[in-house]
Amino acid sequence: IAGITQAPTSQILAAGRRMTLRCTQDMRHNAMYWYRQDLGLGLRLIHYSNTAGTTGKGEVPDGYSVSRANTDDFPLTLASAVPSQTSVYFCASSPTSVATGELFFGEGSRLTVL
Amino acid sequence: AQSVAQPEDQVNVAEGNPLTVKCTYSVSGNPYLFWYVQYPNRGLQFLLKYITGDNLVKGSYGFEAEFNKSQTSFHLKKPSALVSDSALYFCAVRDTSNTGGFKTIFGAGTRLFVKA
Repeated sequence: IAGITQAPTSQILAAGRRMTLRCTQDMRHNAMYWYRQDLGLGLRLIHYSNTAGTTGKGEVPDGYSVSRANTDDFPLTLASAVPSQTSVYFCASSPTSVATGELFFGEGSRLTVL
Repeated sequence: AQSVAQPEDQVNVAEGNPLTVKCTYSVSGNPYLFWYVQYPNRGLQFLLKYITGDNLVKGSYGFEAEFNKSQTSFHLKKPSALVSDSALYFCAVRDTSNTGGFKTIFGAGTRLFVKA
């Protein structure tokens, strides 16, 4: 079934460790996004990519980095994890980067930083 | 700046009754508005969107939403609620103010609880 695959689904991580959350889509969508979901705050955009080879910062980019080497993959890296990065992370994609396209979401990666 | 407000943390409704989940927005330019639903331990799923045209938009699972420009609202509605509609609902607006990327801004979410 076509869609977005995220890995891992859940991870407990010691503070200071490096972590990469993987995201792969097989829909050939141009635009991809990383959001974090925290209770009472909804979803906040971390980073986005309108097309392969380009990335941009969202609302809460500090402590995170992304790359977009090809259309399908959009990994999110925490260089040195801190407890405030405990959250559920969602990868999403959109067929185009124009304003009218809806987002397709992965199932999420639950990260706990101790 | 673009923003979305969902004034209710939770909405309770009896099965078979109509439901409304409220959303108001603030945008510069044309509003592109969306509703998403999230079931427990799942990702968000697209329900419907307003881009232009008819103010009443119909979407998945019998949901509809009414765009009201004068009240800057985009309330989600369903004529007859089902227990299976119980979930977390997010209103969202597409940020068209930044040419660097059309980012989607989400409200904080409203939890819908439908009682049998």
